[in-house]
Amino acid sequence: AQSVAQPEDQVNVAEGNPLTVKCTYSVSGNPYLFWYVQYPNRGLQFLLKYITGDNLVKGSYGFEAEFNKSQTSFHLKKPSALVSDSALYFCAVRELRGYQKVTFGTGTKLQVIP
Amino acid sequence: DSGVTQTPKHLITATGQRVTLRCSPRSGDLSVYWYQQSLDQGLQFLIQYYNGEERAKGNILERFSAQQFPDLHSELNLSSLELGDSALYFCASSVGERSYEQYFGPGTRLTVT
Repeated sequence: AQSVAQPEDQVNVAEGNPLTVKCTYSVSGNPYLFWYVQYPNRGLQFLLKYITGDNLVKGSYGFEAEFNKSQTSFHLKKPSALVSDSALYFCAVRELRGYQKVTFGTGTKLQVIP
Repeated sequence: DSGVTQTPKHLITATGQRVTLRCSPRSGDLSVYWYQQSLDQGLQFLIQYYNGEERAKGNILERFSAQQFPDLHSELNLSSLELGDSALYFCASSVGERSYEQYFGPGTRLTVT
C-alpha cells in the first residue's frame, strides 16, 4: 500500500526567509509525487509534480521540490517566503506503474510571519 | 479558477436526509474524482469515474454513491445522512484515466444538523 507522511502540522517562517515543508512517501514501485496548496475556503491547487528526471522540480509561485530516492522524501522549498504563501500544503503520491489512486498527506499549515 | 465547477457551495440539511452534489469537470477532462475533507479525517479519496465508468474506489461509504453522465458531469449522492458526514466535498478532474495532476473545484460545504 502506498502512503505519504507530512511530519509537521504547522511550519512558521519569517517573511523573506527560506522555507521547507517536509514530505516522505512509501510506494512499492517508482513514485509519482505531487504538491498541492489550499488557500482558505478554496479547493486545492496543483503546484508541481515529479515523475522522472531531474531531482529538483520547479513549480508555480516560485516553489520547488527536491526528490530524494534514498530518503524517500519530496520536500517542498522556496528561497524567500512571502506572507501570501501562508496556506495549507498537501503532498501526494501514487505509484508510477499500473493504476493506483492518489494518496494525500494530512497537510502542513504554513504560516509566514511579516 | 481551475475550470471545475461545483454546486451548491453550501448545503445544510438534517440527519437522515439525502442530498446530491454536482460537479462539472474542466473542458476536455474525462476523469472526475470525489474527495471528502474533514478536520479529523483529512482529505479522503472517495471515488473516481473515467468517461462514464467507475475506475477506483476509496473510502466511500455504502450510503454514498456517484455517477458520471454522458456529458461528463458527475453527481455524488449522500443518503441517510449522519452528523459525521458534515465536511467539505471536493470534486477534481484530470485529462486521462490515470491520475496525473488533478484540478480541484471550490468544494461543497455540507452541514448535517
